[in-house]
Amino acid sequence: DTAVSQTPKYLVTQMGNDKSIKCEQNLGHDTMYWYKQDSKKFLKIMFSYNNKELIINETVPNRFSPKSPDKAHLNLHINSLELGDSAVYFCASSPGADVKYFGPGTRLTVT
Amino acid sequence: GENVEQHPSTLSVQEGDSAVIKCTYSDSASNYFPWYKQELGKGPQLIIDIRSNVGEKKDQRIAVTLNKTAKHFSLHITETQPEDSAVYFCAASIGYQKVTFGTGTKLQVIP
Repeated sequence: DTAVSQTPKYLVTQMGNDKSIKCEQNLGHDTMYWYKQDSKKFLKIMFSYNNKELIINETVPNRFSPKSPDKAHLNLHINSLELGDSAVYFCASSPGADVKYFGPGTRLTVT
Repeated sequence: GENVEQHPSTLSVQEGDSAVIKCTYSDSASNYFPWYKQELGKGPQLIIDIRSNVGEKKDQRIAVTLNKTAKHFSLHITETQPEDSAVYFCAASIGYQKVTFGTGTKLQVIP
């Protein structure tokens, strides 16, 4: 009974490509997030959606576009991938309160 | 915006000893302070949290203390075990707003 799931777990691609990462939560939470963890393990929020509406949009290149087709899904699409996009991307969900439940992460490697 | 500093960045303790990780935050409006444990290859998992109206909270071998005046909060792990080895993150947030994470502490418990 997976709570927050992400696909794929690993993603290796070349510079300039477009890729998507999918996230699903079966917890019935209203709020979902995307976080980026860099090579030094620093975690930083990218986006937050509440009931399919964007509520937090940090200083992220507009090559990154989140899409929430419904409350249970928040996908991340990345255009024109760059070397600096290599990182682990975590999806998370929250019941509208403070506690966050993280997915297992997607390790993106851009070559 | 909020700035969270975390120390130490690495910590090695003998099994059975205690471990203490300290964090400071900058925004006095922050009112929620979670601690996350991240094991290798996994997403962060909430282990304990504290709200600003409480000075201390304990859950079995882990405890968190909060000093609002000094804007400090700490994680205490007693009777450490090898399975406590992981990266620990403190964080601070204002209600539903974005969570700002510390830089992480890699804890190694030596058997």
